[in-house]
Amino acid sequence: GENVEQHPSTLSVQEGDSAVIKCTYSDSASNYFPWYKQELGKGPQLIIDIRSNVGEKKDQRIAVTLNKTAKHFSLHITETQPEDSAVYFCAFSPGGSNYKLTFGKGTLLTVNP
Amino acid sequence: DAGVIQSPRHEVTEMGQEVTLRCKPISGHNSLFWYRQTMMRGLELLIYFNNNVPIDDSGMPEDRFSAKMPNASFSTLKIQPSEPRDSAVYFCASRPTGSTTGELFFGEGSRLTVL
Repeated sequence: GENVEQHPSTLSVQEGDSAVIKCTYSDSASNYFPWYKQELGKGPQLIIDIRSNVGEKKDQRIAVTLNKTAKHFSLHITETQPEDSAVYFCAFSPGGSNYKLTFGKGTLLTVNP
Repeated sequence: DAGVIQSPRHEVTEMGQEVTLRCKPISGHNSLFWYRQTMMRGLELLIYFNNNVPIDDSGMPEDRFSAKMPNASFSTLKIQPSEPRDSAVYFCASRPTGSTTGELFFGEGSRLTVL
């Protein structure tokens, strides 16, 4: 199917703590898994992505892990800062599509100073 | 560099009126997408153009919705007649030429309110 479950829907952490957001998908043909960050009044912006031939990818304080067997992938943000506060969306390419993305419902992350 | 440019940023109209949303993709990007964002349904793909040709319009909700891309630097999404349930934020996004699944560059969106 073309659904993706994203949890939690809201997440509040203290500055400096880590934040983890998890998505579960059902389409085993999917091979591309991006994460987008959306700030208030802005469009979503890609922050990191992973393809199905790797299990983990890291970019400074952000990392994504992929478990294709269990069909889930997670976003990890370490040493959170107030400017990390935003809505984060996972997405995947249904059926291995080379253009279509199905987005999760989003996680509102609040980093408290 | 200019990003994806959308207009208007905000539109308030009455039910039954025609609404036209506009998008200028990033120069050199040959893929263009229209998405709709609502609290209930999240981000939904409405239509995808490649090289100005509509490839997938399966997400267009009804015949009241239509989209065009007359050239590589301009696209419109039209709703006629508009209904209150069309109220949402409409995003245009583009992707570089030659890219398959990869980064989408979103505009800042057009917030539509239909009274």
